[in-house]
Amino acid sequence: KAGVTQTPRYLIKTRGQQVTLSCSPISGHRSVSWYQQTPGQGLQFLFEYFSETQRNKGNFPGRFSGRQFSNSRSEMNVSTLELGDSALYLCASSLLAGDSYEQYFGPGTRLTVT
Amino acid sequence: GDSVTQMEGPVTLSEEAFLTINCTYTATGYPSLFWYVQYPGEGLQLLLKATKADDKGSNKGFEATYRKETTSFHLEKGSVQVSDSAVYFCALRGSGNTPLVFGKGTRLSVIA
Repeated sequence: KAGVTQTPRYLIKTRGQQVTLSCSPISGHRSVSWYQQTPGQGLQFLFEYFSETQRNKGNFPGRFSGRQFSNSRSEMNVSTLELGDSALYLCASSLLAGDSYEQYFGPGTRLTVT
Repeated sequence: GDSVTQMEGPVTLSEEAFLTINCTYTATGYPSLFWYVQYPGEGLQLLLKATKADDKGSNKGFEATYRKETTSFHLEKGSVQVSDSAVYFCALRGSGNTPLVFGKGTRLSVIA
């Protein structure tokens, strides 16, 4: 069974631009979570989606948004990029939502903002 | 809120040495505890987990025991290999609709 895939793997953007990252969960998985990883802050939770509904949201500004489609694929969008948004963005999928279900992580998208 | 504290790295060991990476947590209720590993250029992989007090998680020679009295979940391995070089993250997840909370990560380098 294929793992979680994220596209693109690497991205370079300029301050003020916006970016969309994509995540395809493991087949059959219906929950997708997003995390931001930076050297300074470590891994921080962005949001979780299940059945096209946002179930949980981390403490990030409104410039960060996401959505989930009926096929469980998810996208996250960052508008008006800042230098501090440079990070590895990780997507994780699980069969269902909730703490009983293991999260499987993708390889991440490395975003560099210049 | 919930938080995880793990020892700062980097940790450098010789092959076949004993490994301990300390992890303590603060949480309400009874969280599940995890260790994840991240190899260079890859995402996180679940290494082991424990869901209740005194549970021992184990995988690939790594072990960790859920100690509620000391709020700890230290990672141990009796004999590390060069292939164990990676970043290790301790994490917890509370009951209900709560996300994973990660520690800062500990980089392990094993030299031959």
